[in-house]
Amino acid sequence: EDQVTQSPEALRLQEGESSSLNCSYTVSGLRGLFWYRQDPGKGPEFLFTLYSAGEEKEKERLKATLTKKESFLHITAPKPEDSATYLCAVTSFNRDDKIIFGKGTRLHILP
Amino acid sequence: DAGVTQSPTHLIKTRGQQVTLRCSPKSGHDTVSWYQQALGQGPQFIFQYYEEEERQRGNFPDRFSGHQFPNYSSELNVNALLLGDSALYLCASSPSTQAGTFGSGTRLTVV
Repeated sequence: EDQVTQSPEALRLQEGESSSLNCSYTVSGLRGLFWYRQDPGKGPEFLFTLYSAGEEKEKERLKATLTKKESFLHITAPKPEDSATYLCAVTSFNRDDKIIFGKGTRLHILP
Repeated sequence: DAGVTQSPTHLIKTRGQQVTLRCSPKSGHDTVSWYQQALGQGPQFIFQYYEEEERQRGNFPDRFSGHQFPNYSSELNVNALLLGDSALYLCASSPSTQAGTFGSGTRLTVV
């Protein structure tokens, strides 16, 4: 069964303390992997799309990487405004592009 | 440029009632997807509409139905509401089958 697992479930960091969030997936025929940021009570906000192993994307303090089995979202020198839930999602050629989301990682950056 | 607009923002219904949620996609987007997000969970794919047809469907019962209009706007209908239907309902639009742009959602509470 196709699955997306994110870890850790929650993460508390001091401002400036870099870390990484993990998204592991088991799908046959990965079409694309997506990272979203979601603030409480709001819809997810698109961050990145990755398509193939070895691909990397960057945006401000965030960098997403992709391997054949997992993706990492690296956060460098985070600020309190980076606090949010980060969601990972995948689409598969074998699932008619149905999108599967992980449960997310709740990130809290302490000032 | 308006993004994805959902209405209403909040809704309280009684068990057994029916509800209709509405979504206006981002300009230029012709594909609309609906998701259910329970508290502390990732979004779960309900279905996707393209050219006024349901193109894909997730694991949701027939009580969940939808419609897409010629202007690409969409409705999600849920019949015979259950307490477990309480969730944030998200609409996402895209110019293709990709994950797309999300609205802020409709918070449905069933009592």
